[in-house]
Amino acid sequence: GQQVMQIPQYQHVQEGEDFTTYCNSSTTLSNIQWYKQRPGGHPVFLIQLVKSGEVKKQKRLTFQFGEAKKNSSLHITATQTTDVGTYFCAGNNAGNMLTFGGGTRLMVKP
Amino acid sequence: DAGVTQSPTHLIKTRGQQVTLRCSPKSGHDTVSWYQQALGQGPQFIFQYYEEEERQRGNFPDRFSGHQFPNYSSELNVNALLLGDSALYLCASSLGPLYSTGELFFGEGSRLTVL
Repeated sequence: GQQVMQIPQYQHVQEGEDFTTYCNSSTTLSNIQWYKQRPGGHPVFLIQLVKSGEVKKQKRLTFQFGEAKKNSSLHITATQTTDVGTYFCAGNNAGNMLTFGGGTRLMVKP
Repeated sequence: DAGVTQSPTHLIKTRGQQVTLRCSPKSGHDTVSWYQQALGQGPQFIFQYYEEEERQRGNFPDRFSGHQFPNYSSELNVNALLLGDSALYLCASSLGPLYSTGELFFGEGSRLTVL
């Protein structure tokens, strides 16, 4: 079955440093979504990418979808303590079932 | 505009028991998906309901079953509980026909502990 892997599992950064998490799928995706889950909370949708090579920005967050539609990345510029949480990618294949990666837990030291 | 609501928020069961979890989707949403999230892991897809029928199913045994009602609310039932069923159970609702994809709205989850 489809597998979605994320690296790294954990990332400690100093406030103000940049952060990147990478997502790789074992199969070609129709689209990919990103979610953020704060400690003790539930996943909250951030964005969806559909097109090959697509790049989208939300303030300090930059999302990319690979040319082969099998990988994606999320980059945060100048992290803040409010960025703390776990970031999940979720891949959607032709079967329209969202498969979540294991997540990258971001910790920010003030 | 109420978001996705789930009940109960926490519950404790013993091995072999049965549990029912409930979910009311966001207003206007007609599709409900259930996910299991073990501690420190990503959500794992259990199944999805649309028009009162199970449309998609993940790699979960038949002990996991569900239902969707005419008002789009949904239940997740787990029989013969195992210790490994301890997890956060998340309900997510979405809008539109089954075979379109879009943003999932998650509830706060039901945290199940099996002793």
